[in-house]
Amino acid sequence: GESVGLHLPTLSVQEGDNSIINCAYSNSASDYFIWYKQESGKGPQFIIDIRSNMDKRQGQRVTVLLNKTVKHLSLQIAATQPGDSAVYFCAENFSGGYNKLIFGAGTRLAVHP
Amino acid sequence: DAGVIQSPRHEVTEMGQEVTLRCKPISGHDYLFWYRQTMMRGLELLIYFNNNVPIDDSGMPEDRFSAKMPNASFSTLKIQPSEPRDSAVYFCASSARGVGTGELFFGEGSRLTVL
Repeated sequence: GESVGLHLPTLSVQEGDNSIINCAYSNSASDYFIWYKQESGKGPQFIIDIRSNMDKRQGQRVTVLLNKTVKHLSLQIAATQPGDSAVYFCAENFSGGYNKLIFGAGTRLAVHP
Repeated sequence: DAGVIQSPRHEVTEMGQEVTLRCKPISGHDYLFWYRQTMMRGLELLIYFNNNVPIDDSGMPEDRFSAKMPNASFSTLKIQPSEPRDSAVYFCASSARGVGTGELFFGEGSRLTVL
């Protein structure tokens, strides 16, 4: 099965380059944020998360940056590989409310050899 | 663990027919979520359960949709009668501690096409 969202914004990068995917979140009260990766025909897969008391968090080849002032989240992928090609979603949650993750529209990352 | 298991992976049906989607969460996870993904609306939460009890069903589109979780290892999402606008990919996800304290594990989805 193909992924939905054929008309998503697309970021095209060369293999080995760094990628930066941006996301604007909606709720200033949100205090927990997650990045997901969705490959074609599969469900979203957790990549990395960050809480609002932090502005940066690093994982393996990935870094998430949070700017609460402008409600902006970014995902940086170092040394992008063909296997990174997917749709990337940011999601926000307000821990004082229900267990609701609000997903962004997604960005398609296309990695070219 | 095999992860979250959903069935069927694909379903094609005619308008007016009943559709039942099934989900087996990861063993030990107390939270189960049903999401719908469409091109127009992205990923939307339909309903979630905690310890088999529905907690928030405010995302369920209308009375044609219903969800149950009779035990900790099984949940269903039913659409009766189905309509073409219900065509989407339906995902089930489970979590050990809820969305605010841990990650969600998604199944591979059930792609529904209503003709």
